[in-house]
Amino acid sequence: QLQLQESGPGLVKPSETLSLTCTVSGTSISSSNYYWGWIRQPPGKGLEWIGNIYYSGSTYYNPSLKSRVTISVDTSKNQFSLKLSSVTAADTAVYYCAGADSRYCCWFDPWGQGTLVTVSS
Amino acid sequence: EIVMTQSPATLSVSPGERATLSCRASQSVSSNLAWYQQKPGQAPRLLIYGASIRATGIPARFSGSGSGTEFTLTISSLQSEDFAVYYCQQYNKWPPLTFGGGTKVEIK
Repeated sequence: QLQLQESGPGLVKPSETLSLTCTVSGTSISSSNYYWGWIRQPPGKGLEWIGNIYYSGSTYYNPSLKSRVTISVDTSKNQFSLKLSSVTAADTAVYYCAGADSRYCCWFDPWGQGTLVTVSS
Repeated sequence: EIVMTQSPATLSVSPGERATLSCRASQSVSSNLAWYQQKPGQAPRLLIYGASIRATGIPARFSGSGSGTEFTLTISSLQSEDFAVYYCQQYNKWPPLTFGGGTKVEIK
């Protein structure tokens, strides 16, 4: 059974870089069957797609965040990661990682439980 | 960017009644549309993909329809566990993948 779990600091200072990791279990992150994605949700608001990465290393980013986002894969740890630079209070959100079937990309299933990241000094 | 618009923002329904939620795309997304359910404090859960295909384990009371720019999620007889926020998402043309703003289904 495919499962994902986010981890990382819950508090980041303004102008610094937010770094999160998603640990994948139940399949190899190198599988061609999945895209791996990050989605965020500000408190009380809707969902915003951040970006995806494919096993080949190909990345796809939301144009609204592209200049600040990097998504990468660590095959040795079966993890993928999100880095968001120059954060502001507007980046405060619950961050989810999720998998998407590569045959029908991209609807997301399953999702991690999410992790709240607060940007504050 | 394809903009997804959901209506209504809030839907008040009595248990056992039917709920009909709408999702409109700013341009055609064919049948490349998914629906998710989100309960407070939980991650979204996939309900429907391909506009009308129920995901594994989703009860038959959930059904999706539509294509192009107009889509509907119907819950035939609301159960207590169905009161939640529902989001649609298009995956026809990306990046970016885009979500609707959500419809909250609340108890009447």
